[in-house]
Amino acid sequence: AQSVTQLGSHVSVSEGALVLLRCNYSSSVPPYLFWYVQYPNQGLQLLLKYTTGATLVKGINGFEAEFKKSETSFHLTKPSAHMSDAAEYFCAVSDHLTGGGNKLTFGTGTQLKVEL
Amino acid sequence: DAGVTQSPTHLIKTRGQQVTLRCSPKSGHDTVSWYQQALGQGPQFIFQYYEEEERQRGNFPDRFSGHQFPNYSSELNVNALLLGDSALYLCASSLGTNSYEQYFGPGTRLTVT
Repeated sequence: AQSVTQLGSHVSVSEGALVLLRCNYSSSVPPYLFWYVQYPNQGLQLLLKYTTGATLVKGINGFEAEFKKSETSFHLTKPSAHMSDAAEYFCAVSDHLTGGGNKLTFGTGTQLKVEL
Repeated sequence: DAGVTQSPTHLIKTRGQQVTLRCSPKSGHDTVSWYQQALGQGPQFIFQYYEEEERQRGNFPDRFSGHQFPNYSSELNVNALLLGDSALYLCASSLGTNSYEQYFGPGTRLTVT
């Protein structure tokens, strides 16, 4: 079964600084990988996804992530943090299940704090 | 284009009671998945419904059951509530069971006292 590990449950950056949120995956098949953002008391919003093709994927709000198979990583970056980026971020892998269907397996999340 | 909607937003129940949560999928979607997100954790897969049948199930006890209606909307039922069932319950919809892209609703916050 696929799994995801997010390194760092809390990350704090200054406004305007680089954001780097780390995600490593374990998968026996080529993975489909996702980053979701969750604002307080809200559901999950898809930031970006990797399925096949270009390994550098761009998402909403200036975020991007690079799929590195050799490192089994899918780290999320943003060149310049904004106060509105403060939220919880989840990395997830899509797990196709025996008999059909699929599920998302999530990491434990990284809380991003942006300071003035 | 209506996204995924869930009701109610918040719910408070007592241990031992039963609860029903509701979800309407994004327009055009026919598959509904349910996830439980405990405080400080990532969402955990409960089950997935397609064509009114439970197609896949995560590691949750039989106290958790569901239903899908002909209009693709879905219910999650939890019987004999435990304190540990307190969580945010998220519904996600997709087109077909093999679609990797799931769209999430805002969730229902269940508190068991």
